[in-house]
Amino acid sequence: DGGITQSPKYLFRKEGQNVTLSCEQNLNHDAMYWYRQDPGQGLRLIYYSQIVNDFQKGDIAEGYSVSREKKESFPLTVTSAQKNPTAFYLCASSIDFSGYEQYFGPGTRLTVT
Amino acid sequence: EDQVTQSPEALRLQEGESSSLNCSYTVSGLRGLFWYRQDPGKGPEFLFTLYSAGEEKEKERLKATLTKKESFLHITAPKPEDSATYLCAVEDGGSQGNLIFGKGTKLSVKP
Repeated sequence: DGGITQSPKYLFRKEGQNVTLSCEQNLNHDAMYWYRQDPGQGLRLIYYSQIVNDFQKGDIAEGYSVSREKKESFPLTVTSAQKNPTAFYLCASSIDFSGYEQYFGPGTRLTVT
Repeated sequence: EDQVTQSPEALRLQEGESSSLNCSYTVSGLRGLFWYRQDPGKGPEFLFTLYSAGEEKEKERLKATLTKKESFLHITAPKPEDSATYLCAVEDGGSQGNLIFGKGTKLSVKP
């Protein structure tokens, strides 16, 4: 079955620690995205990648970093510089960058205390 | 200024009671409007893409329509399993590839 996997489902970290969230897709999609979802707010774009070895900042990139070394993988690192990291993180992919629907993974809930 | 506004924020229906969810948008040039369903604690599930005014898409009890300023998600004879949050997103021609999401409508269908 083709799809997007995110791991882990739940993640707990202490303040001041960096943490990396995994996202893998086997849909052969070129574009991948990271969103953050907070209660009462719409999804907000953190980073996106149109193609391997290329990525761009979204609306709320501060305190986050990404890499895109393989087509199927787009990990997100939440750094200690992110002031409010506790949130539900969603990875998505689309067959191409513009004009196509995005398919989402199951999400990772990160709690930082 | 919100570019995508969904209403109502929450909607409670009895099983079989048809209704509509609204998504109004203000973008410079619409490249696509997308509807998703999201269950609690899960990722959004893609439902429909609409590209131009007058377009309609259907899937089981759901029908999505599009005008130049808004989209409607019509739910006909809903069942309890239709309970979820429905998200609307638009792709603005000025920011290609980046979706702007509304805050969603939380639908509850009681038996």
